[in-house]
Amino acid sequence: GQNIDQPTEMTATEGAIVQINCTYQTSGFNGLFWYQQHAGEAPTFLSYNVLDGLEEKGRFSSFLSRSKGYSYLLLKELQMKDSASYLCAVMDSNYQLIWGAGTKLIIKP
Amino acid sequence: NAGVTQTPKFRVLKTGQSMTLLCAQDMNHEYMYWYRQDPGMGLRLIHYSVGEGTTAKGEVPDGYNVSRLKKQNFLLGLESAAPSQTSVYFCASSRRDEVTGELFFGEGSRLTVL
Repeated sequence: GQNIDQPTEMTATEGAIVQINCTYQTSGFNGLFWYQQHAGEAPTFLSYNVLDGLEEKGRFSSFLSRSKGYSYLLLKELQMKDSASYLCAVMDSNYQLIWGAGTKLIIKP
Repeated sequence: NAGVTQTPKFRVLKTGQSMTLLCAQDMNHEYMYWYRQDPGMGLRLIHYSVGEGTTAKGEVPDGYNVSRLKKQNFLLGLESAAPSQTSVYFCASSRRDEVTGELFFGEGSRLTVL
């Protein structure tokens, strides 16, 4: 079966750096996505990786290793507004998105 | 800048009742989707549409029907609601030619079936 694994919850301190991991086993691969979802709100797109390596976008970076079935989202200079759930999703060979359950990130002052 | 709009935002149903969730997008997107989100689980695709007049089943289609009579609207129907359909429902849309496949989500509709 297809599976996306990510930690259920993480805690970090304001101003620090946090890395949220995602491992996947899917039928084919056509890209990996990260979305941010604040409590009670809709998910919003953060990043897309289809080739191995690091994609940087401001304070957020996303890394992909296709051979290891592994990705991480790196958040730098954490702010209180970064408290949210972070969803990892993989597009399989049928171009369907397979979603992880999400990682709830708690930022403490 | 409305984007994707869902109505209603909240609804309480009794078992066996029917209802329709409406999704409207003003971005001229070809693709539209209905997902459900339950605690401890990833988003699960119910039905989707790749264009006006077309629909297809997703991962969890049973108990739901959809229609896409107009490009901007995607309706999700529950014919006979069951407590297992208590969930938060999200509509999303995307462009056909978008390389990244970015989805734009509505704010969600919280449905409780008693």
